[in-house]
Amino acid sequence: QVQVVQSGAEVKEPGSSVRLFCRASGGTFSSSAFNWVRQAPGQGLEWVGRVVPVLDLGEYAQKFRGRVTIKADKSMTTASMELTGLTSEDAAVYYCALQDDLEPAARFAFWGQGTLVTVSS
Amino acid sequence: QSVLTQPPSVSGAPGQTVTISCAGSWSNIGAYGIHWYQQLPRTAPKLLISDNNNRPSGVPGRFSVSKSGTSASLAISGLLAEDEGRYYCQSYDSSLSGSVFGGGTNLTVL
Repeated sequence: QVQVVQSGAEVKEPGSSVRLFCRASGGTFSSSAFNWVRQAPGQGLEWVGRVVPVLDLGEYAQKFRGRVTIKADKSMTTASMELTGLTSEDAAVYYCALQDDLEPAARFAFWGQGTLVTVSS
Repeated sequence: QSVLTQPPSVSGAPGQTVTISCAGSWSNIGAYGIHWYQQLPRTAPKLLISDNNNRPSGVPGRFSVSKSGTSASLAISGLLAEDEGRYYCQSYDSSLSGSVFGGGTNLTVL
């Protein structure tokens, strides 16, 4: 079955950048998109953006444009998200979620375990 | 403030049926599919059900969805203690050009 595994927890200083990774296995992902969704402590889910590997296309929530870059490698099984200019408001668990269709409205079928990002001086 | 509006909490006794609503607009639920996710305590969200009651394997038929215009609902029948957690609706919004979530609803099984 499909599994999504994310990189480990990060501790970053305010103003710095963080890069997170996720890897999908157990299927073929030529018709998939990798999304990043974050959840601040005690809060709900917030979509950050996605990459469609077969199109090499990144799409981002308005709130994060200019500050986030989401990429996939040529194998189309690994994605990364880089977020710059970190503030305390970026402290959250970041989830990688795989859409099993290229359509922007497709469901988030598979989720990673989450990566905790702490922002602290 | 979330684009999709859900009640903060619902509750029900074991065996009962509860419904969680999700209100949106013509740029999201009114035009695109809606998906529901379950997040149990201290775990990652998981896909629960989509439009047309499309459920991943392993999700019981006690979970069902309906949609009308710009609103949708998730119904959970035969409530079990293991259903306790947080539920989110999600759709795509053409005005924002991105996915949007509801604020989440905490389900308590009494």
